Amino acid sequence: EPEVTQTPSHQVTQMGQEVILRCVPISNHLYFYWYRQILGQKVEFLVSFYNNEISEKSEIFDDQFSVERPDGSNFTLKIRSTKLEDSAMYFCASGVGGTNFGPGTRLTVT
Amino acid sequence: LAKTTQPISMDSYEGQEVNITCSHNNIATNDYITWYQQFPSQGPRFIIQGYKTKVTNEVASLFIPADRKSSTLSLPRVSLSDTAVYYCLVGVNQGGKLIFGQGTELSVKP
Repeated sequence: EPEVTQTPSHQVTQMGQEVILRCVPISNHLYFYWYRQILGQKVEFLVSFYNNEISEKSEIFDDQFSVERPDGSNFTLKIRSTKLEDSAMYFCASGVGGTNFGPGTRLTVT
Repeated sequence: LAKTTQPISMDSYEGQEVNITCSHNNIATNDYITWYQQFPSQGPRFIIQGYKTKVTNEVASLFIPADRKSSTLSLPRVSLSDTAVYYCLVGVNQGGKLIFGQGTELSVKP
């Protein structure tokens, strides 16, 4: 069964640094998403992407965040200047009906 | 987006049937009801989705009354590995963001 994959599984970075989280969605899916989950809290929607553009974004997704689908398979989330409060699990998801989530990238900002 | 209400936690024993009920009084006509399961440090995993009446798959059953203001996820004969957080979500079937609540933390004991 096809799965959403994410790399790296764990990323440690210093405050102020840029990070890029990578995802390979399921190949025939049309909708792509990023969610995050701060430890002990609920899963939060960040952004959705369809037809090569952002279709919706949350208040969390400010100017420090950007998404890109650089080729036909990858979907990336960039955080330009990380803050301590960006530490969280970041989940990529894709869907064409229901939504399939990846295993997540644990981002630790020190 | 329709708000959902579900119990914060439930306890069960191996081999029992577990029913988790979710209230969604403001569900819209085109909303589907979807349940996800999440283990610690993993992404949410799709369990089942329905629109009305009853849906069954190899993992669970979903019961939806005629007014669609609630739904019940039924897990037959749970095992220790079913210990997880279960989320009830309501929204459009395709392309829409998912709004997660706190979920129901199910603990299955031997």
